[in-house]
Parts: sequence; structure tokens; C-alpha cells
Amino acid sequence: DAGITQSPRHKVTETGTPVTLRCHQTENHRYMYWYRQDPGHGLRLIHYSYGVKDTDKGEVSDGYSVSRSKTEDFLLTLESATSSQTSVYFCAISDGTNYGYTFGSGTRLTVV
Amino acid sequence: AQTVTQSQPEMSVQEAETVTLSCTYDTSENNYYLFWYKQPPSRQMILVIRQEAYKQQNATENRFSVNFQKAAKSFSLKISDSQLGDTAMYFCAFMKPGSNYQLIWGAGTKLIIKP
Repeated sequence: DAGITQSPRHKVTETGTPVTLRCHQTENHRYMYWYRQDPGHGLRLIHYSYGVKDTDKGEVSDGYSVSRSKTEDFLLTLESATSSQTSVYFCAISDGTNYGYTFGSGTRLTVV
Repeated sequence: AQTVTQSQPEMSVQEAETVTLSCTYDTSENNYYLFWYKQPPSRQMILVIRQEAYKQQNATENRFSVNFQKAAKSFSLKISDSQLGDTAMYFCAFMKPGSNYQLIWGAGTKLIIKP
């Protein structure tokens, strides 16, 4: 019954290569978020979207870009992956209420 | 800027015991929302409980309850009759109205329930 899916679930890539992570939702929610999770830091916001083609930066946006051409898809791109971007990446969606998020299952990205 | 602090990196208790996880936050806002999320080893993030700052009554969801102290900016989670399935990372989060529903997260507390 997953209304939000992330792909891939795991990825290993080499330093300097571009990487795109995909978040797909079937809930028609307006808000979508990309977070990274690292030990000792909790979740930190990378970018978010408040509508089609409407995006904004979060606290750790350097080295990342996003695109949202359709309501259901929110893409996160690492233009040139670095080892510091090794992390678990979560996508989340919100229906624009104060009831929190629904999360995807996460993508574990390793940059070697 | 809002910050959320979880001062206990790791805790462990025996099954069936009661455990309290601490969370403090810093904000100048009067109206906001607070959340506890659970992340079991499966990595899935699961909403445990939610509190509205303008409500004085503490939120409760089955074995999970909060102690919300607005003046002290404290939002602790109490788990009663702990079960092995409660073993997880627990994250406290803060939401300010008008922020495009952004959540500010604490660093998390790893909770281990021992049989």
C-alpha cells in the first residue's frame, strides 16, 4: 500500500559521477522533501518542493539539485558525487497539513 | 532558528519496563507542532505521536504518551510496558506553521529493549 516509493534502494557509485535518486508518490500530495540521514545528525533537509516546478533549498543543499516536473515525481541529483555524500537519503511527502509526513523506504548511497 | 536536542544518544531497558526519552527544543514561536518518529532496523520512518502546542493536554497513543512542558520547551516520550518491537531509533521533530511544513529534527535516541 506504499503511496511513496524511492528508487533505487541501494546504490554504489564512484566519486565524480552523476547520480539521480527518484521519489514517486501516488497520493497527489503537494509537498515533497529530500532528507539525508547521517549518524549523530538526525535528518537534514536537502531540498523541498511545494508544487510542480516550485522548489527551494534546505540546510544542506550544496552539491545537490532537484527537479519536479510532475506532481508525482521528485528527483534528487548529485551532479558530481563525493565521498561526503555517502548517506541514507529519504524522500517524504505532506498533504499540506500539520500532521507530519509519510516517508519512503530510503536509498542507501555509497560513494567510493 | 529552531533547534531540537535529544540528549540521550542511546538507552536500554528490560522488556515490560517503562522508559522515557527526552527532547528539548528552542523556538520563539507560540504555535507549533511536535512529533516523535520511530525508525526500526527496517529503516522505515513511522509516526508515533503528535502534539499541538496550543493544546495543554498531553497526547497519548496506546502505550506511547508525551509529557509536553511548553514553558520549559520540553517534549519527552514515555513508552509503557516496553516490547521487543519497540527497539528502534526515535526522533523528535518540530514544525513551525508557515514554513512549508518543514520538520526540524533531533539527532535521535537509539532505544534497545532487552528480553
